[in-house]
Amino acid sequence: DAKTTQPTSMDCAEGRAANLPCNHSTISGNEYVYWYRQIHSQGPQYIIHGLKNNETNEMASLIITEDRKSSTLILPHATLRDTAVYYCIVSPSLGTASKLTFGTGTRLQVTL
Amino acid sequence: ETGVTQTPRHLVMGMTNKKSLKCEQHLGHNAMYWYKQSAKKPLELMFVYNFKEQTENNSVPSRFSPECPNSSHLFLHLHTLQPEDSALYLCASSQVSGRAGKNIQYFGAGTRLSVL
Repeated sequence: DAKTTQPTSMDCAEGRAANLPCNHSTISGNEYVYWYRQIHSQGPQYIIHGLKNNETNEMASLIITEDRKSSTLILPHATLRDTAVYYCIVSPSLGTASKLTFGTGTRLQVTL
Repeated sequence: ETGVTQTPRHLVMGMTNKKSLKCEQHLGHNAMYWYKQSAKKPLELMFVYNFKEQTENNSVPSRFSPECPNSSHLFLHLHTLQPEDSALYLCASSQVSGRAGKNIQYFGAGTRLSVL
């Protein structure tokens, strides 16, 4: 599986957009980009995923560069409840029970 | 509520005890997973079950023994654990289909295990 690189931590003011970057320069053509987050002492929560097009759902937007070597997760209006560790994961989705390889993620602190 | 329930939420056990962790998913998924999260370490995949068959064992010591009696239930049997096995144990499930891009895993809240 391709490796990802994320900043260790980020701060964001409540109400502002949080933009979390991820580098995945060795991503393969069949690998998707997934984002999960883990609020303290809870299980990870799926946020969004994409292959090459930008994606948006009720939680966030995912912007993937044209060469697919990096992506950005955008939380449009961060709240205190968005304080968590955010994981960017690349994984093939070939119709099998594919494993997710979690790194250390980005610790996002949303402040008043 | 994610549809994946783990019990117990907290467990304290001695090194000579035998205990089991239980995971139940109410999502109709056909794949289930065990992960371990030690303090200040990333999540580590332990086992994968696909249609009740174990498809991956990530070099897990034999003192951890998984069991998947059906596609909705997953157990992790523990015996003669060591203090370094203290961690948050997480269960997840997903629906494996023929369509790419559908490997979304849903996690339970985890069992916090302390081995004394």
